[in-house]
Amino acid sequence: GAGVSQSPRYKVAKRGQDVALRCDPISGHVSLFWYQQALGQGPEFLTYFQNEAQLDKSGLPSDRFFAERPEGSVSTLKIQRTQQEDSAVYLCASSVPGRKKMNTEAFFGQGTRLTVV
Amino acid sequence: DAKTTQPNSMESNEEEPVHLPCNHSTISGTDYIHWYRQLPSQGPEYVIHGLTSNVNNRMASLAIAEDRKSSTLILHRATLRDAAVYYCILKGAGSNYKLTFGKGTLLTVNP
Repeated sequence: GAGVSQSPRYKVAKRGQDVALRCDPISGHVSLFWYQQALGQGPEFLTYFQNEAQLDKSGLPSDRFFAERPEGSVSTLKIQRTQQEDSAVYLCASSVPGRKKMNTEAFFGQGTRLTVV
Repeated sequence: DAKTTQPNSMESNEEEPVHLPCNHSTISGTDYIHWYRQLPSQGPEYVIHGLTSNVNNRMASLAIAEDRKSSTLILHRATLRDAAVYYCILKGAGSNYKLTFGKGTLLTVNP
């Protein structure tokens, strides 16, 4: 596709359930990012991949959050034992360059809205 | 990360110019100024970025103060489709690869 694709668009999970959110970046994009956006707030950084390597996971809020990008393309954000405070929009972004050339644009998906009930 | 300050909200009329300010008094010499916007129920969208000189593209213009402590995003003729939250973000040239969003400015465009 032409842009970053995320699925599902909406997810309702019961508290304690595990969820997996998928991101298909733009083909050929080296860098991939996950952000979390609470209602009324700006997106907050969760984690960063360069190809298949997870170079920064400092924003993941707890060890219940896990992200992977095993073949350097599609990425999955997994949340185990979901809690109500995990309710948010999860955004994926990709960009072309690696770490040496960072000032180019990032392309965002539409996000997955997760509601934990 | 250096901090930016933006007004919480601004209002404009359709087909009029809009000037969205951003203060970044602690900007370092290697920080680029990026602008993104987020339409309702969409992910953020890149608008423009610059370092020292003013920049123009098909979406907007970026005017950067001579001391680089402030900048202004200029939409030359606002349309209803420009209603969005606009984020001003500082990004280092080196290892600062992530975007640090604030709360941004909510722009309302009146018909």
